[in-house]
Amino acid sequence: NAGVMQNPRHLVRRRGQEARLRCSPMKGHSHVYWYRQLPEEGLKFMVYLQKENIIDESGMPKERFSAEFPKEGPSILRIQQVVRGDSAAYFCASSPTSAETQYFGPGTRLLVL
Amino acid sequence: AQKITQTQPGMFVQEKEAVTLDCTYDTSDPSYGLFWYKQPSSGEMIFLIYQGSYDQQNATEGRYSLNFQKARKSANLVISASQLGDSAMYFCAMREGPGPPSSASKIIFGSGTRLSIRP
Repeated sequence: NAGVMQNPRHLVRRRGQEARLRCSPMKGHSHVYWYRQLPEEGLKFMVYLQKENIIDESGMPKERFSAEFPKEGPSILRIQQVVRGDSAAYFCASSPTSAETQYFGPGTRLLVL
Repeated sequence: AQKITQTQPGMFVQEKEAVTLDCTYDTSDPSYGLFWYKQPSSGEMIFLIYQGSYDQQNATEGRYSLNFQKARKSANLVISASQLGDSAMYFCAMREGPGPPSSASKIIFGSGTRLSIRP
């Protein structure tokens, strides 16, 4: 059973460009969570999605950030018009239900030049 | 509000010794779950152990055990017989509730403890 998959593992963007981060949950998991980790800090919750629904986006910045989890395909975290402060590791986690342990992907390291 | 506190930014331990990583938490929800994750230098987040607030016994997983003291709101991680491969960042985390309301599913992380094992 493959784990949570994220791609790309590393992403370099210039200021003003768009960043698209993908997450494929573990097989049988329909709950997806996105977290952001700034250097030398713990992970901070961003958004929680189930198939085709955003359940909790209380940690998402109000502008430039969006997330989706379509019926088919991976979950996507999109950052428009990136700024240097968006440089971070972005982790996706999945679980079979909201009450169970979340398993994390390897993360995407975003660097904004 | 939920809060996780890890007061040890870094620790050095001799190989084969036991080590305790401290974690205290704050929540007003009577039902919650506590987690420990390991993050090696490669960057991935590895789930280690889980403790539910209503679990009667302390959780154990191989060399990992969770010293859960509910009244003191502490959930320390104990690693027995430490190995060089245990060198990593360790994060304590909490989720309120067993499930719904769905907004309680997010996990709150502490700032982490960097553990270094000396040969």
